[in-house]
Amino acid sequence: GENVEQHPSTLSVQEGDSAVIKCTYSDSASNYFPWYKQELGKGPQLIIDIRSNVGEKKDQRIAVTLNKTAKHFSLHITETQPEDSAVYFCAASVNGGSQGNLIFGKGTKLSVKP
Amino acid sequence: DSGVTQTPKHLITATGQRVTLRCSPRSGDLSVYWYQQSLDQGLQFLIQYYNGEERAKGNILERFSAQQFPDLHSELNLSSLELGDSALYFCASSPGVGLTDTQYFGPGTRLTVL
Repeated sequence: GENVEQHPSTLSVQEGDSAVIKCTYSDSASNYFPWYKQELGKGPQLIIDIRSNVGEKKDQRIAVTLNKTAKHFSLHITETQPEDSAVYFCAASVNGGSQGNLIFGKGTKLSVKP
Repeated sequence: DSGVTQTPKHLITATGQRVTLRCSPRSGDLSVYWYQQSLDQGLQFLIQYYNGEERAKGNILERFSAQQFPDLHSELNLSSLELGDSALYFCASSPGVGLTDTQYFGPGTRLTVL
C-alpha cells in the first residue's frame, strides 16, 4: 500500500526558535496534504492543509511547503511557543479503498522549552 | 472544538466483552470515518460511511463492526475484546466523499481492556 514517512519522530526546540517537520509520500496521485496537531488527551486538530495546485501556504506562524516532483512536504513553525508543544501528524490523500482517503505519518513529538 | 462528538470518553472493560462507541459528526457532514490509534501503529483507518452506506473498509477486524444511522450518527461495535484492542478510537467527519475533503476529528474514546 501507499506510505507516508515523517521525520523527525521527536523534536526539541527553544522558545522562539523555528521548527521544521518533513514528510515524504509514495502515491504520485496524492493531491491533498493536511497537518494535524494532537495535544495530550485530545483528538487531532487540523492546523493547515495544502493542495497540489500551490507550492506554499502560510497562516500566521505556520507554513507548509510542497514539492510534488520530489514527493515531499514540510511544516514550518516560526517563533515557537510552549503551547506549540504537541504531536504533529502529516497526511496525504490516497485513492480511497482499504486505506481510506488519508494516510498518516507516524507523528512528531514537538517540545518547546521556555 | 471540531464539532464532532464522541461518547464515552473512557471505557474500561474485560476481555471477551462487547462495547459500543458512538460518534456524532459535524452538522452537515455526511461522511464518518473511524480510526484506531495505538502507540506503535499510529492512526489506522478502520472504516468509512457516507450517508448511511459503507464507503471504504480498512484493516478492520471481523470482531468489529460499524453502522451509520439515518440521523448520521455512527456507532462502532467491538466484540470478543482482547488486550490488544486497548487503544484510542477516533471518529472524524467530512462534508462528502471527496478525496480532498477535510476530515475533522472528535476527541476520541480511550478503550482499556483488562
